[in-house]
Amino acid sequence: QQQVKQSPQSLIVQKGGIPIINCAYENTAFDYFPWYQQFPGKGPALLIAIRPDVSEKKEGRFTISFNKSAKQFSLHIMDSQPGDSATYFCAASIIRGNQFYFGTGTSLTVIP
Amino acid sequence: DVKVTQSSRYLVKRTGEKVFLECVQDMDHENMFWYRQDPGLGLRLIYFSYDVKMKEKGDIPEGYSVSREKKERFSLILESASTNQTSMYLCASSLAPGQGRTGELFFGEGSRLTVL
Repeated sequence: QQQVKQSPQSLIVQKGGIPIINCAYENTAFDYFPWYQQFPGKGPALLIAIRPDVSEKKEGRFTISFNKSAKQFSLHIMDSQPGDSATYFCAASIIRGNQFYFGTGTSLTVIP
Repeated sequence: DVKVTQSSRYLVKRTGEKVFLECVQDMDHENMFWYRQDPGLGLRLIYFSYDVKMKEKGDIPEGYSVSREKKERFSLILESASTNQTSMYLCASSLAPGQGRTGELFFGEGSRLTVL
């Protein structure tokens, strides 16, 4: 059973657009929600993360919006650039625990 | 800088062969993980280890085993490789809760295995 559901599977936007990737979870014990970015031929790397006590976190052009009551969170990329073309994974975990649960990934292409 | 090293980036093996995938981390992390990455399926956990000689099954352990004899090294073993094990394998490590865990996973660059 998929603990974290991610959509869409792929996304194509023009440079300067604002791609949005959505994730949903069921387990209310999750208390850490990271996003990972993966370029071709590389392993995923942490991009940005949020705890459930805040509704939004922004780092540069990347923003996480978090809706605790709906058990959903999303990644927004402002002023997207071709260099943002990558696969993005959302995840959820319990800080006191040892496991991470990943979404199925979104392949983002930003067209110049 | 944090580093997780997977010694083999690309491997081609034949059905029935025994395959070893090695992973080393230099961060003194207690937790280490092996994931399998397939298009449309995301990252699926095969095994993880929270201490030397300790291991826990993940979501898809069938056909795999692991070994952790030293803290820094975590090996994934395919006893008898099959074509449906053709995939990208990712090793990762993290701090444990007792180490002041931040929640971040550090990944290696992956080992792409093809089984013919």
